[in-house]
Parts: sequence; structure tokens; C-alpha cells
Amino acid sequence: DAKTTQPPSMDCAEGRAANLPCNHSTISGNEYVYWYRQIHSQGPQYIIHGLKNNETNEMASLIITEDRKSSTLILPHATLRDTAVYYCIVRAQGGSEKLVFGKGTKLTVNP
Amino acid sequence: DTGVSQDPRHKITKRGQNVTFRCDPISEHNRLYWYRQTLGQGPEFLTYFQNEAQLEKSRLLSDRFSAERPKGSFSTLEIQRTEQGDSAMYLCASSHRSSGGKQYFGPGTRLTVL
Repeated sequence: DAKTTQPPSMDCAEGRAANLPCNHSTISGNEYVYWYRQIHSQGPQYIIHGLKNNETNEMASLIITEDRKSSTLILPHATLRDTAVYYCIVRAQGGSEKLVFGKGTKLTVNP
Repeated sequence: DTGVSQDPRHKITKRGQNVTFRCDPISEHNRLYWYRQTLGQGPEFLTYFQNEAQLEKSRLLSDRFSAERPKGSFSTLEIQRTEQGDSAMYLCASSHRSSGGKQYFGPGTRLTVL
């Protein structure tokens, strides 16, 4: 079973920031938080991951709370092409290689 | 880097037939994964290879399913005696041991069993 909880859907206006929350209250000390997204009819795409520090790359920012029980993925300027299902996954590096996906959050970016 | 490729992209078959899917990972990626995704659900892990060795298998991988990666490069997933419940998107992913856990997914093969 997935170790994360996400809202089933969210809406965002084009050009605005999209903030996608994820709860992972049972996360272990050696587990990382990964975010992937899946645009309709495509394979999932890696976005970002982190352990406890906030991370930023060209796609998004990841904010992890100090207690690591939740995190937020931020798309700073959402575009219509960001409409997708976003998955938050916790996984230990060096452990099982599999990714355990939940149902994710369907983000719809509106014009 | 041409990405992970999968063939075919779509397969329609009749119940009871055997089907085989192929996955070509990103070159030099020594790790390869198979997932299955049904409508409205996230992908579910099926199996994982490191080079040619199959190191992890899900209980979802019944005895009708077999996966191989004979030379540590491309992989095949075969389903024997297909059932309607096998209808799904079959996704392949690859990674390198230095990828930090990032997996790169292919476009998937959509299987429809009539």
C-alpha cells in the first residue's frame, strides 16, 4: 500500500503557482520523498525528490516540513501543459527498488 | 539518449492467447522495471531486473506472467493464456545505479483482452 495521502483533485489558474500537498506521517528516517507526474496516455515522469531539505530544480520546488510528515510540491507558474496526475511517493534508497504509487492528485490547470 | 521505448504501443488480443511485449531501456541503464496500470489507478510494480538478474517480483506476477532480460539490455514481458483482467497499460522503466532512485518510464503498451 502507498504510504502517502494526497487530495484526489485540484484546480489552478494558468500562470499561478500550484501547491500540491502530500501527507506521509509514517515516513522513516531513511525514506526519501519523490514526486512524479503522469500526463494523459504517457508514462510517469520524474519531477523531484528530497530527504529533509527543501529542493528546487528547473521543474518545481519541494518543501518538506521539519518533522517530515508532510510535503508540498510547488509549480511556480503553472501552464496548461502541467495538467496531469501528480504522485507523491516515499521510498528508501538502498531498499526495495520498486516505486509504490497511490492514486495521486489530478491537477487541472485552467486558462 | 532516446529514452525508454516499448513495443508495441497497443495490442488487442482474444482471451486465451499469449502476448509478448518488449522494452528497450536507456542505454547504460542497468536497472529495468515493469509496472502495470489499470484505469484510474496508479502504476503497480510487477518486477525488477539488475542487469540480467531478476531480483524482485510482485505477487501480482502470477505464473502466467514471465519476464526476461537475457543480455542485460532489452527485456520482454510475456503473458500466457490472457484473461480479460489482464487488460491494462504495461509500463517499463529504467534507471542507472547512480540515478538516485529516479526511474525513467517508457510510453507503455496498452493491452486489451477481448
